[in-house]
Amino acid sequence: GENVEQHPSTLSVQEGDSAVIKCTYSDSASNYFPWYKQELGKGPQLIIDIRSNVGEKKDQRIAVTLNKTAKHFSLHITETQPEDSAVYFCAAAAGNKLTFGGGTRVLVKP
Amino acid sequence: EAQVTQNPRYLITVTGKKLTVTCSQNMNHEYMSWYRQDPGLGLRQIYYSMNVEVTDKGDVPEGYKVSRKEKRNFPLILESPSPNQTSLYFCASSLRTGGRIAFFGQGTRLTVV
Repeated sequence: GENVEQHPSTLSVQEGDSAVIKCTYSDSASNYFPWYKQELGKGPQLIIDIRSNVGEKKDQRIAVTLNKTAKHFSLHITETQPEDSAVYFCAAAAGNKLTFGGGTRVLVKP
Repeated sequence: EAQVTQNPRYLITVTGKKLTVTCSQNMNHEYMSWYRQDPGLGLRQIYYSMNVEVTDKGDVPEGYKVSRKEKRNFPLILESPSPNQTSLYFCASSLRTGGRIAFFGQGTRLTVV
């Protein structure tokens, strides 16, 4: 089955700096890659996603890149703000199965 | 308001005492699923359902049951809970299959002693 690895597990950045989270996947059949943000006490919230026919997608301060050949994808957050502090999960989907990475706890220091 | 509602939010129970966690969505979504979240392991899929009366196992189905008698409801049943089922559980729904899950419930923190 699919295996998704996510790094780093924790990330501390200064407010205004950029944050990058990287994920790798194993199943070449995976063709959809969402990212979720989970705030304390809440369920994950979809923040951005990318399909396998696209290499990059941007939405305001967040962007995702996908390298299908290398089987890795990344989340980039620019100009980080304290409200970006949360746990972020990447995931990879093949058909009906969605497999999550282990999560990255991001702390933005004011 | 579009939402996925889980109940209860918190539950402490004893080993072997059957319990049900309810999940309901008000968006007429076809696809619903259950996940458990454990530190360092992300979210792992327990069961999913592509429509009424259609359910299938996810990655960690052992010890769980589900049913989908109505489109809006997808309860998770633990017939004989054990301490290793202590976890944070999430229900999720999406319009159709294909991975895009935009709506998660608030979570149910279950402790089995």
